[in-house]
Amino acid sequence: EVQLVESGGGLVQPGRSMKLSCAASGFTFNNYDMAWVCQAPKKGLEWVATISYDGSSTYYRDSVKGRFTISRDNAKSTLYLQMDSLRSEDTATYYCAKQLYWYFDFWGPGTMVTVSS
Amino acid sequence: DIQMTQSPASLSASLEEIVTITCQASQDIGNWLAWYQQKPGKSPQLLIYDATSLADGVPSRFSGSRSGTQYSLKISRLQVEDIGSYYCQQAHSNPNTFGAGTKLELK
Repeated sequence: EVQLVESGGGLVQPGRSMKLSCAASGFTFNNYDMAWVCQAPKKGLEWVATISYDGSSTYYRDSVKGRFTISRDNAKSTLYLQMDSLRSEDTATYYCAKQLYWYFDFWGPGTMVTVSS
Repeated sequence: DIQMTQSPASLSASLEEIVTITCQASQDIGNWLAWYQQKPGKSPQLLIYDATSLADGVPSRFSGSRSGTQYSLKISRLQVEDIGSYYCQQAHSNPNTFGAGTKLELK
């Protein structure tokens, strides 16, 4: 059974950093591209970033380019999202997702990030 | 960016009723379209991909169709466990984008 479990969320001040992790199990992690997708409170879904199966390629939405870094450790079956220079508009639940082409076929339960002073 | 215009924003339907949700793409995306269901307090679940392909484990009462740049999700006989929000997503080009969502409630 595919399982994705995010951790690392919480309350952080504007301008500070936070690192999210996603522990994966139940599938061959290093065979799949992985992504982070976020959802602001009471809002819709927004793709954040994707990393290729081997970590050689990364893709970001414009609003996070230069501030967020997606990475992975295939030996640990873990996905990461380093978030720097956080803004209030980054407040959201962040989901780790396994990709099927550019679709998202499995999602974790999410971790909430609140950016506030 | 490709815009996905989803309608209706909310929908109230009765059990066993046929429900249809649509998404209009701002440009040609071929069959690169997915539908997701999100139950209250839960993470999204993939229902349909490639516009018409049913994801593993999804009941056959769900189906997807395409007419040009308009895409539809149909629930043939609404069940109580189908209540939640539904989102379309285009996977044709980055940034891949989602529709604003449809909140489905029981009448």
